[in-house]
Amino acid sequence: QQQVKQSPQSLIVQKGGISIINCAYENTAFDYFPWYQQFPGKGPALLIAIRPDVSEKKEGRFTISFNKSAKQFSLHIMDSQPGDSATYFCAASKGSNYQLIWGAGTKLIIKP
Amino acid sequence: DARVTQTPRHKVTEMGQEVTMRCQPILGHNTVFWYRQTMMQGLELLAYFRNRAPLDDSGMPKDRFSAEMPDATLATLKIQPSEPRDSAVYFCASGFGTRQFFGPGTRLTVL
Repeated sequence: QQQVKQSPQSLIVQKGGISIINCAYENTAFDYFPWYQQFPGKGPALLIAIRPDVSEKKEGRFTISFNKSAKQFSLHIMDSQPGDSATYFCAASKGSNYQLIWGAGTKLIIKP
Repeated sequence: DARVTQTPRHKVTEMGQEVTMRCQPILGHNTVFWYRQTMMQGLELLAYFRNRAPLDDSGMPKDRFSAEMPDATLATLKIQPSEPRDSAVYFCASGFGTRQFFGPGTRLTVL
């Protein structure tokens, strides 16, 4: 019940296309859902995050869509660019625990 | 621009040797996390400190790994004795609230 399942494991998208990465969770106590971006040789960095009181959050080309009833959330990257090529992790946490439960990661490659 | 620092950045050692990795969290952050990242296992939480007290180290092999925070500016992760299966990138992250700031990692190779 603590798991966060992420798919796909890898994704290749043409430049200018839309990249979509999905995550699903079981624990309804989770109340914070971030996405982290990791470039090779670097640590993960927070990209965007959402709480379950909203269904969508947008920051530039990055959007999180949240479906509370389905217990799913997804990251959409619009107008994908080669510089977006990285590994993306979804995660979840509950309350004041602050410990993140991580998805397995998605390696995204944007082809020029 | 405050950052989490980790030393060393790379470490190559022989099986059986002791390895110590150090982390300086961002000043003012009250949580510190140690993660291990491998291709096969992804990001694994090894230890979690809040206000320097260990809250969760269930992900850490107790017989060989130990994590401490001797003061607010230093967190350490020790492996003794090291084994080839410990080869991985070890990340330290610090935070205040929900957001975690990761360091650049220590790439450990155990021969």
